[in-house]
Amino acid sequence: GQQVMQIPQYQHVQEGEDFTTYCNSSTTLSNIQWYKQRPGGHPVFLIQLVKSGEVKKQKRLTFQFGEAKKNSSLHITATQTTDVGTYFCAGTGFQKLVFGTGTRLLVSP
Amino acid sequence: DAGVIQSPRHEVTEMGQEVTLRCKPISGHDYLFWYRQTMMRGLELLIYFNNNVPIDDSGMPEDRFSAKMPNASFSTLKIQPSEPRDSAVYFCASSPTGVSTEAFFGQGTRLTVV
Repeated sequence: GQQVMQIPQYQHVQEGEDFTTYCNSSTTLSNIQWYKQRPGGHPVFLIQLVKSGEVKKQKRLTFQFGEAKKNSSLHITATQTTDVGTYFCAGTGFQKLVFGTGTRLLVSP
Repeated sequence: DAGVIQSPRHEVTEMGQEVTLRCKPISGHDYLFWYRQTMMRGLELLIYFNNNVPIDDSGMPEDRFSAKMPNASFSTLKIQPSEPRDSAVYFCASSPTGVSTEAFFGQGTRLTVV
């Protein structure tokens, strides 16, 4: 079945450092979504990418969809303690939204 | 709108007991999803409904799990009999137009089977 892997599994940074998580699908995706889950919380939608090679920005967050529509990345510039949480990509294919394995981000002040 | 509402928030039950989780989706959303989250397996899609009809239940682990959506504003996920390996956080989510659009998650039900 469709699998979506993310690396790294976990990252601990100092506040102000940059952070990137990578998402790779075993199959071509129709689109990709990104979600953030705070500790003890529920996933919250951040953004959706649809087009091959698409890049979108939300303040300090930059999202990219690969040319082959099989991979994606999320980059956070100058992390803040409020960025703490787990970031999930979720790919759509075969009429399902399949979540990636997630990257847990810890930010120390 | 209050968002997706799940109940209970926490459930502790003994092995072998029946457990029923409840979900009220956002009004007007045609799609409802049930997910299970564990450390080992991450976020897994169990089943989803479109206009109250189950579309894909291939993620339901086994016959002990069943889900219903009797109307547009209510869904249940039932486990009978429950087992310790069913311990997880169960999320319900809804979306307005399908799997390719933003999913709105409820707060989740943390289930512990002892």
